[in-house]
Amino acid sequence: SYVLTQPPSVSVAPGQTATITCGGNNIGGEGVHWYQQKPGQAPVMVVYDDGDRPSGIPERFSGSSSGNTATLTISRVEAGDEADYYCQVWDTSSDHAAVFGGGTKLTVL
Amino acid sequence: VQLVESGGGLVKPGGSLRLSCAASGFTFSSYSINWVRQAPGKGLEWVSCISATGNYIYYADSVKGRFTISRDNAKNSLDLLMNSLRPEDTAVYYCARSHQVVGLGGFDPWGQGTLVTVSS
Repeated sequence: SYVLTQPPSVSVAPGQTATITCGGNNIGGEGVHWYQQKPGQAPVMVVYDDGDRPSGIPERFSGSSSGNTATLTISRVEAGDEADYYCQVWDTSSDHAAVFGGGTKLTVL
Repeated sequence: VQLVESGGGLVKPGGSLRLSCAASGFTFSSYSINWVRQAPGKGLEWVSCISATGNYIYYADSVKGRFTISRDNAKNSLDLLMNSLRPEDTAVYYCARSHQVVGLGGFDPWGQGTLVTVSS
């Protein structure tokens, strides 16, 4: 089965740029989606199809994907960005199954 | 656009439970819908997907043969029938719409979730 690998934690100071990676075999050929989840809340999509933003998501959130790595970049990080972030793709190699990365806890110092 | 789950609760191992998801604010019959769960303190795990017309249904290996997803486009509702429940099925269960009409896509929006606890 397809596996997505994320770092468990990333720390960044306010105003700086946070980079969260998501590794997977040839992930650059998939459509990668990213979600933000704050404690006690449902996840919210912040990036879809590698690098597009849903309406209402700040331009500070951006994404890219190439080769075996997808990246979520959060510019000018704010305290309110502290959350868990998950990447997700669809594995259609055999039966169809959605796959999530293990999640990355973003801490704003 | 809103999704509201219901039906969660405490159930004994081996028991059954039916979750429901009520949709509003969009053309329900045009989108595939998914169930995603999250065990306490753990990450997200996809459970099942049903296409817009119900013609295509997919399950995670962990629930295949025990869970059944269904939808009623006339009532804008989605169900998840869970049989032979195990303690490891304990989780918050979210329903989540595909973000796009065509294809599988990402998940947007999500409901608020309903808690299922499997314990004796």
